[in-house]
Amino acid sequence: DGGITQSPKYLFRKEGQNVTLSCEQNLNHDAMYWYRQDPGQGLRLIYYSQIVNDFQKGDIAEGYSVSREKKESFPLTVTSAQKNPTAFYLCASSTSVNTEAFFGQGTRLTVV
Amino acid sequence: KNEVEQSPQNLTAQEGEFITINCSYSVGISALHWLQQHPGGGIVSLFMLSSGKKKHGRLIATINIQEKHSSLHITASHPRDSAVYICAVTAGNQFYFGTGTSLTVIP
Repeated sequence: DGGITQSPKYLFRKEGQNVTLSCEQNLNHDAMYWYRQDPGQGLRLIYYSQIVNDFQKGDIAEGYSVSREKKESFPLTVTSAQKNPTAFYLCASSTSVNTEAFFGQGTRLTVV
Repeated sequence: KNEVEQSPQNLTAQEGEFITINCSYSVGISALHWLQQHPGGGIVSLFMLSSGKKKHGRLIATINIQEKHSSLHITASHPRDSAVYICAVTAGNQFYFGTGTSLTVIP
């Protein structure tokens, strides 16, 4: 079945460690996005990519990095420079920004 | 100020009630989306619309472009409808999201 898969669902890391969240889609979508969700706030854009080998910073890119080496994959690295990394992270993809978006199940990251 | 505002923030209804969730936006948009987020966190797209009205089962979404307003209606609500409903718009090359409406339907 086509879809978008995030892994893992839950992730625990020690403060100061980098951690990479996986996002894979088999929908042949060009555009992929990473969002962060905090209680009481709307989804905030971290990074987005409209095509392979190209990505753009979103509103809260500081402390995060991404790569888009393959159309299907858009991993997000939360670096030690991110001051408050504990959050729920959602990956999404779409054919383009003006079409329906498909979301993954999310990864809940807890930094201790 | 957020580009997308939703109301109410929280809503509790009895099973069978008709429910309305409202969304207002302040930017020029190419499309508006209604999303559903269940307690586990995953998000499902319910509707994408740029004009008029769409219906899927017990769900109805409407949009008024001139007033920059959209509503999501749920008829004959059921406990399984309990979730967070999120309004989002596409403007430029980005999505903008409301903070969500948390709906609880009591049996």
